[in-house]
Amino acid sequence: DTAVSQTPKYLVTQMGNDKSIKCEQNLGHDTMYWYKQDSKKFLKIMFSYNNKELIINETVPNRFSPKSPDKAHLNLHINSLELGDSAVYFCASSPPTTTNTQYFGPGTRLTVL
Amino acid sequence: ELKVEQNPLFLSMQEGKNYTIYCNYSTTSDRLYWYRQDPGKSLESLFVLLSNGAVKQEGRLMASLDTKARLSTLHITAAVHDLSATYFCAVALQGGSEKLVFGKGMKLTVNP
Repeated sequence: DTAVSQTPKYLVTQMGNDKSIKCEQNLGHDTMYWYKQDSKKFLKIMFSYNNKELIINETVPNRFSPKSPDKAHLNLHINSLELGDSAVYFCASSPPTTTNTQYFGPGTRLTVL
Repeated sequence: ELKVEQNPLFLSMQEGKNYTIYCNYSTTSDRLYWYRQDPGKSLESLFVLLSNGAVKQEGRLMASLDTKARLSTLHITAAVHDLSATYFCAVALQGGSEKLVFGKGMKLTVNP
């Protein structure tokens, strides 16, 4: 009965590789997000989709490409991985209510060697 | 550009003590959130504050919002070890935006 799930939980890869992280939510929410948390625990939004439409697209390298096949799924594909991409990536979702509280997934720890 | 500052960033306190932590933000907003993160874990929503003077309490934690001062406080009463975690405040851009800007987080350690 996991609300927001991500796969994989850990990802270790070499520089230059391409990798994907998947996110699924079973809460019936319309909006999903990708965040990056760096080694200093600073959280920054990267992208957001509302019902499969991109609504937030922060300044991130174009090596990062989100894709939402349906409103319950939001994937993140990263091309040509760099050392600086090492971080924890969190997916989140929120309902269309007044509070818009975002519910976070367990995170994917990406390590680029 | 919306900026969110938390103060302090690190706090070590003894069990049983009280303390208040602060979250300042730079531009008008209509929603402020407090989240908790345990080491290696996800973020857990604690409170959402929507209006000036809003106060929410859950257990030993009480959050309040002063929109005129652009300030939120998180008060800890009679701290216990289980409260040890990192606490983030996050502010939404005004106008119902889904974009949240997070503070740097405050790492709280409660010592026996």
